[in-house]
Amino acid sequence: GAVVSQHPSWVICKSGTSVKIECRSLDFQATTMFWYRQFPKQSLMLMATSNEGSKATYEQGVEKDKFLINHASLTLSTLTVTSAHPEDSSFYICSASGAGWQTNYGYTFGSGTRLTVV
Amino acid sequence: DAKTTQPPSMDCAEGRAANLPCNHSTISGNEYVYWYRQIHSQGPQYIIHGLKNNETNEMASLIITEDRKSSTLILPHATLRDTAVYYCIVFSLSDMRFGAGTRLTVKP
Repeated sequence: GAVVSQHPSWVICKSGTSVKIECRSLDFQATTMFWYRQFPKQSLMLMATSNEGSKATYEQGVEKDKFLINHASLTLSTLTVTSAHPEDSSFYICSASGAGWQTNYGYTFGSGTRLTVV
Repeated sequence: DAKTTQPPSMDCAEGRAANLPCNHSTISGNEYVYWYRQIHSQGPQYIIHGLKNNETNEMASLIITEDRKSSTLILPHATLRDTAVYYCIVFSLSDMRFGAGTRLTVKP
């Protein structure tokens, strides 16, 4: 149980275009989802926290208009990188947890999406 | 900022126990300690977690000090496939920040 599917696993896009990354909880309802970004040889950097049905809370320095997060259902959250530029190239990872799971199973992570902007 | 500190790197001989320390001196009474690991270009993998008591599962053991200000993850018989970055995270309901982790290298 507690499987999180992230799609796509990798994507190459042209500078100025937008890219959508999906994060799905397959066998539980995810009340909270986190989005991270990871640059080579660095740790995961928290970008935002999203709760189902409400606006995401962004970390300081993360542009909410550039990284659009939608968590409209209990099984799906999306991250859209708008007007992508080469500096947005990174590894993006989502994690999810359901109500009551926090103290039992913790957060389950997706397999990540490698974004390359050319 | 992350609530934990870990050594940046450690080496371990294959077949020996790997003991990875973590300091979390500002942990609150209801916060859990979680350990994850990340193998290159993959999402973090859950290993174990605990609140007060020591815990053991098929992957590892977690030893938490009585004052809860530090913990140690023990991989009893490290294999080459255990080479990864190990993250110790103090869990709260709304905060899941990662520290820098410990890069464990298991050597033959």
